[in-house]
Amino acid sequence: AQSVTQPDIHITVSEGASLELRCNYSYGATPYLFWYVQSPGQGLQLLLKYFSGDTLVQGIKGFEAEFKRSQSSFNLRKPSVHWSDAAEYFCAVVSGGDGGSQGNLIFGKGTKLSVKP
Amino acid sequence: ETGVTQTPRHLVMGMTNKKSLKCEQHLGHNAMYWYKQSAKKPLELMFVYSLEERVENNSVPSRFSPECPNSSHLFLHLHTLQPEDSALYLCASSQDGGFYSGNTIYFGEGSWLTVV
Repeated sequence: AQSVTQPDIHITVSEGASLELRCNYSYGATPYLFWYVQSPGQGLQLLLKYFSGDTLVQGIKGFEAEFKRSQSSFNLRKPSVHWSDAAEYFCAVVSGGDGGSQGNLIFGKGTKLSVKP
Repeated sequence: ETGVTQTPRHLVMGMTNKKSLKCEQHLGHNAMYWYKQSAKKPLELMFVYSLEERVENNSVPSRFSPECPNSSHLFLHLHTLQPEDSALYLCASSQDGGFYSGNTIYFGEGSWLTVV
């Protein structure tokens, strides 16, 4: 079965520092991969997605992610973190081409990001 | 503002109550979803409606009853819930074809449910 692992439950970085949030997925076929962000008390907002093509994907708010098939990873990065980036980040995968439900996103448990001044 | 509006934002209900969560999307989508977000579990898909017909029910207890009267509205009717049902319930929508067409799911801000 598909699964998503976000090994870091909570990360704290200083404002202006670089950020990398890890995501590993388990799925045999080509995955469709997503990163969502959830600010406190809010719903989920899509940061970026990977379907095919260039393995380095640019998203909103200065985020990017790189798909590495050999490592089954889709890590999220940002070169310089802002205080407003403090939120919870969710990696998600949906199987591509197996006829699964169009809504069957499999989410990781999330990584909470804290930003210190 | 994502175009998906959920009401109420917060709900406290007793185990014998009957209440409903409402979701409305203003994006012209024709697929809608209910997700459950608990404190210690990943987000879980509960129901999927496409073209107003239920296409997936991930073994959700019958005390949760969805209703999709049209492509813009989705309800989650709640009755005789348990304290462990306390969670954030997220509604989402997409254009039919979902991921395989490259379409994105848009989420609402959620309804916080507390069962006492």
